[in-house]
Amino acid sequence: GESVGLHLPTLSVQEGDNSIINCAYSNSASDYFIWYKQESGKGPQFIIDIRSNMDKRQGQRVTVLLNKTVKHLSLQIAATQPGDSAVYFCAENAYQAGTALIFGKGTTLSVSS
Amino acid sequence: EPEVTQTPSHQVTQMGQEVILRCVPISNHLYFYWYRQILGQKVEFLVSFYNNEISEKSEIFDDQFSVERPDGSNFTLKIRSTKLEDSAMYFCASSQGLPPYEQYFGPGTRLTVT
Repeated sequence: GESVGLHLPTLSVQEGDNSIINCAYSNSASDYFIWYKQESGKGPQFIIDIRSNMDKRQGQRVTVLLNKTVKHLSLQIAATQPGDSAVYFCAENAYQAGTALIFGKGTTLSVSS
Repeated sequence: EPEVTQTPSHQVTQMGQEVILRCVPISNHLYFYWYRQILGQKVEFLVSFYNNEISEKSEIFDDQFSVERPDGSNFTLKIRSTKLEDSAMYFCASSQGLPPYEQYFGPGTRLTVT
């Protein structure tokens, strides 16, 4: 697998590897976090979310980790497939602040077979 | 599965012209949003709309922008006098409720201002 300690705009992995995409969020009051996948020419697609009262949440082949101490969010994709190639964005929301999702910079994941 | 739809997929307009971007949110959703994404950059919140009024807007959403729900199904974004820097992908989204209800995004309209 390949991990990235800091946010990088691109990540290239081999099919079958585990991928880790990182995100630093900005607002310490944020209490809801989401990972979105965006394929070329399409809108953001929900992958997984996590609330601030949790530090880990698992879905199908994906895991989100939240470290509130350092305001860091990561997305782990197990057994990465070519269909996972896309741009991945984290987004944050503070319930008290309103409805807006604040998106982070994207990471382009390229999976080669 | 229900989805958010947007028309047109691509709109080309001249600077100074008015454009209307259209969206059909998911039918039982109550909150509607517009976001934009300038090429190669992150997605930015513009406005949210609930109960026939704006509930929140960003600094980007100035007097040149307006939103409307003209009937029970459509949700529109109007830009009164387009500028070159308005060129971007515009995404409509809808949700059943406030976060953490999921916001479902449409495929976007690419606006090109020449």
